[in-house]
Amino acid sequence: NAGVMQNPRHLVRRRGQEARLRCSPMKGHSHVYWYRQLPEEGLKFMVYLQKENIIDESGMPKERFSAEFPKEGPSILRIQQVVRGDSAAYFCASSGLHITTFSNTEAFFGQGTRLTVV
Amino acid sequence: AQSVSQHNHHVILSEAASLELGCNYSYGGTVNLFWYVQYPGQHLQLLLKYFSGDPLVKGIKGFEAEFIKSKFSFNLRKPSVQWSDTAEYFCAVRSGGYQKVTFGIGTKLQVIP
Repeated sequence: NAGVMQNPRHLVRRRGQEARLRCSPMKGHSHVYWYRQLPEEGLKFMVYLQKENIIDESGMPKERFSAEFPKEGPSILRIQQVVRGDSAAYFCASSGLHITTFSNTEAFFGQGTRLTVV
Repeated sequence: AQSVSQHNHHVILSEAASLELGCNYSYGGTVNLFWYVQYPGQHLQLLLKYFSGDPLVKGIKGFEAEFIKSKFSFNLRKPSVQWSDTAEYFCAVRSGGYQKVTFGIGTKLQVIP
């Protein structure tokens, strides 16, 4: 059972370009979370999605950032017109239901995408 | 809204010293609590979790945490740290019925040989 897969691992973009970060959750998981990690700032929640729905986007900047989790395919975090301040590590996590208890599992993290804006 | 406070941002210990990292959360209802570890250059891995039952939770690599409901705390402990425990440690909370997981700012632990 593959873990949470994120790609690319490293992404370099020039200011003004678009960045697309992909996250495939663990098999059977329908909850996806995106976090941003900056040095000395810890992990900041960005958005929580279920299939085709955004449940909580309270941590997403109002402009340039968007996220989706379509019925088929990975979740995408999209950053338009990137600026230097967007440089960070972006982590995706997924969770689902235990197959026997139907309680919610812990969040499993991907390896992250390190975005560098030059 | 749920929030998590980690009191120590940087901790330096010698090998074999005992470790306790503080974590307090703000939500008053049913919670799930987690400690994650991030080794240098790697992703977050689960150390241990509390969902219900015995408030003293044992995790991997000799770590344990105690859930004290009256204090809204979930402190992480290890009796004797090793150099390989050098990492960043994150406390996290998920309130009952709601899936969003909120993380603390993290504690960087450096263990000196």
